[in-house]
Amino acid sequence: EDKVVQSPLSLVVHEGDTVTLNCSYEVTNFRSLLWYKQEKKAPTFLFMLTSSGIEKKSGRLSSILDKKELSSILNITATQTGDSAIYLCAIMNYGGSQGNLIFGKGTKLSVKP
Amino acid sequence: KAGVTQTPRYLIKTRGQQVTLSCSPISGHRSVSWYQQTPGQGLQFLFEYFSETQRNKGNFPGRFSGRQFSNSRSEMNVSTLELGDSALYLCASSLGQGAEKLFFGSGTQLSVL
Repeated sequence: EDKVVQSPLSLVVHEGDTVTLNCSYEVTNFRSLLWYKQEKKAPTFLFMLTSSGIEKKSGRLSSILDKKELSSILNITATQTGDSAIYLCAIMNYGGSQGNLIFGKGTKLSVKP
Repeated sequence: KAGVTQTPRYLIKTRGQQVTLSCSPISGHRSVSWYQQTPGQGLQFLFEYFSETQRNKGNFPGRFSGRQFSNSRSEMNVSTLELGDSALYLCASSLGQGAEKLFFGSGTQLSVL
């Protein structure tokens, strides 16, 4: 069965710290890996990584896909309190029976002032 | 452009009752997906509708059903509610079927007593 595992489940850091969130996956017919940020209720899209685009960067956030290790990391540098959220990793596969996007359980990041 | 709108925001029901949740996608989006989010299981795919047809279904019992109207608005129904159905139900829309970049609504928080 396809699955996505995120670690750690929760993390507490102080403003200015750099954090690395991990996502590993087991999936047949990999199509893409996505990161979402869930601050209150609605997850918002951050990055999509595919075989043709294994690294993405936006401001203080960056993500890398390692297709050999079947994993991805999300880096946040110079963290701010506004980065406090649940970060969700998801996999899109081709024709899977589990639906379109398979989500991990998320990493809850708390940034203290 | 208005985002994805879900109603109601909160709902309290008792076991055995049924409930209907509503989702209005972003204008122009034709695909609507539903997810259930619980602390223990994370986000789990329920079903996806595109052009008024169910295109994909997750591993949920038949008590969970949905439909999509000609204006792309969608409803999901849960019959014979169980305590374990308490969850945040998220709706997401996208331009096309099976798209990775989903736009989520703020969800309906359902509590079953």
